[in-house]
Amino acid sequence: GENVEQHPSTLSVQEGDSAVIKCTYSDSASNYFPWYKQELGKGPQLIIDIRSNVGEKKDQRIAVTLNKTAKHFSLHITETQPEDSAVYFCAASVQEGDMRFGAGTRLTVKP
Amino acid sequence: SQTIHQWPATLVQPVGSPLSLECTVEGTSNPNLYWYRQAAGRGLQLLFYSVGIGQISSEVPQNLSASRPQDRQFILSSKKLLLSDSGFYLCASGTADEQFFGPGTRLTVL
Repeated sequence: GENVEQHPSTLSVQEGDSAVIKCTYSDSASNYFPWYKQELGKGPQLIIDIRSNVGEKKDQRIAVTLNKTAKHFSLHITETQPEDSAVYFCAASVQEGDMRFGAGTRLTVKP
Repeated sequence: SQTIHQWPATLVQPVGSPLSLECTVEGTSNPNLYWYRQAAGRGLQLLFYSVGIGQISSEVPQNLSASRPQDRQFILSSKKLLLSDSGFYLCASGTADEQFFGPGTRLTVL
């Protein structure tokens, strides 16, 4: 089955700097890669996603890149703000009921 | 858009007691429903998913079970809780492509 690894587990940046979180997956058949943001005590919220037929996707300060050959994908947050502080999860899925999540990255943006 | 309700929000139960967590979904029909567990400092682990009423697939062997008595109702149960069942339980609705999560239930087993 699919195995998703996420790095780093914790990340601390200064406000205004960029943050990058990386994930690797094992199943080459995976074709959908969402990223979730989870604030303290709440459920994860989808913030951006990418499909295997696209190499990069951007939404304002957030971008995701996908390298199918290397089987890794990354989340990029530019001009970070304190409200970006949260736990971020990557995930990969290939079929129904088979979405696998990374272990999460706790991002802290220092003002 | 979909809204996922979960209750209770927090629960403290003794070891060996039964468990029933409920999830209901609004704003969609015939959704796929999922139960995840999030242990402290760890990622999301898929426990069960359901593609329809009475159809449950289990991802990991454990002392938990799930049921789907109605189209938009998903229940997570246990007959006897273990200490290791403590965690944050999340219900999700959607497909393998896009899932919307509920607010979660924090379960502490003492």
